[in-house]
Amino acid sequence: VQLVESGGGLVQPGGSLRLSCGVSESTFSKFEANWVRQAPGKGLQWLSHIGSSGKTKYYSDSVKGRFTTSRENAQRSFYLQMNTLTVDDTAIYYCAIGNLGFEYWGQGALVIVSA
Amino acid sequence: QLLLTQSPSASASLGASVNLTCTLSSGHTTYAIAWHQQQPEKGPRYLMKVDDSGRYWKGDGVPDRFSGSSSGADRYLIISSLQSDDEADYYCQTWGAGSRLFGGGTSLTVL
Repeated sequence: VQLVESGGGLVQPGGSLRLSCGVSESTFSKFEANWVRQAPGKGLQWLSHIGSSGKTKYYSDSVKGRFTTSRENAQRSFYLQMNTLTVDDTAIYYCAIGNLGFEYWGQGALVIVSA
Repeated sequence: QLLLTQSPSASASLGASVNLTCTLSSGHTTYAIAWHQQQPEKGPRYLMKVDDSGRYWKGDGVPDRFSGSSSGADRYLIISSLQSDDEADYYCQTWGAGSRLFGGGTSLTVL
């Protein structure tokens, strides 16, 4: 199972960015999906969860109201829309999927929020 | 409040065994957890899920040297016959109601 993140980059404070995670696995539609980030020199921080059908969504308090997750099972992809970004959102962003939500990980996408 | 506590660092000699511990907060001591490995400059890798009975289910391709166990609120990752590429950060993770959570991670040094 391979996951490929895209959409990272440099953005100004207050700006928006949309991350995508493409999945090679044909059974993607059965899996839970999560976004996790890692700030420079820090540990892993869970951000969001989306259930297999897309109906169930959870967010960490740090991003609730600013970030939105979605998925397109037919495209074997899921997304993280990030709005009102601040410098504290600078991190490597990882996507992860699985029956438990975290069995398979992407390689990460770097997001830098800076003026 | 659901919390996962890990020691920041651990060390063990090449060829030896090491136990890494993840402690669940009070009121959540029956929760299952997962262990993830992150080698330097790489993304995380799922190792296994460990339940409160000490049963564990490993991910794809995880070597037999890796195993799990439990005791009360503690969940363990046991690595035997340590190799140099076991030097990595190890994170525990659990599933809360409407949330997911990672521990702070343990940085393992292989001497």
